[in-house]
Amino acid sequence: GNSVTQMEGPVTLSEEAFLTINCTYTATGYPSLFWYVQYPGEGLQLLLKATKADDKGSNKGFEATYRKETTSFHLEKGSVQVSDSAVYFCALSEMDGNTGFQKLVFGTGTRLLVSP
Amino acid sequence: DGGITQSPKYLFRKEGQNVTLSCEQNLNHDAMYWYRQDPGQGLRLIYYSQIVNDFQKGDIAEGYSVSREKKESFPLTVTSAQKNPTAFYLCASRLDRGRNQPQHFGDGTRLSIL
Repeated sequence: GNSVTQMEGPVTLSEEAFLTINCTYTATGYPSLFWYVQYPGEGLQLLLKATKADDKGSNKGFEATYRKETTSFHLEKGSVQVSDSAVYFCALSEMDGNTGFQKLVFGTGTRLLVSP
Repeated sequence: DGGITQSPKYLFRKEGQNVTLSCEQNLNHDAMYWYRQDPGQGLRLIYYSQIVNDFQKGDIAEGYSVSREKKESFPLTVTSAQKNPTAFYLCASRLDRGRNQPQHFGDGTRLSIL
């Protein structure tokens, strides 16, 4: 089946450092790819998405490029802030073979801790 | 503002008791989902529904039940058969128009055992 693999956390950075959170996937076909962010005690918020190869999703200074050749969707930010501390989830869309219904497959999440 | 409302934010269950978690959306989304999140782990799909009066089991449906009598509502019941119910429960919805549409999430309900 389809799967998403994220780097183990926590990722600990100082403010204004460069961020990379790795995400690779295994999938049949060409799924859409998503990054979600979860702040403490809250639900998930969509951060960005990409729907086809070479697409770049971006939002709030975060970027990720859909790399079909390496099956990757790494999240990057040039200068992190303390307020970016959260858990980040990579996900892909897949179709349920029985119902034809779209579901998301999530990675296990990567915690980011940014210190002043 | 459109969104997904989950209630209550915190819920306590006694042994042998069924409890129901509420999820309401006013986004006019077709599809709705329930996930369970355990500490330090990802999301696991419990149930999902594509249309009113229809729903499907996800990966961990045992000990849970749902209903979808209205488009905007998708309550989850945690039954006494669920022996380890302590977790953070997230409801999501999605406009079912192709694979590019993201899921939108509520703020969650944290369930604990008394």
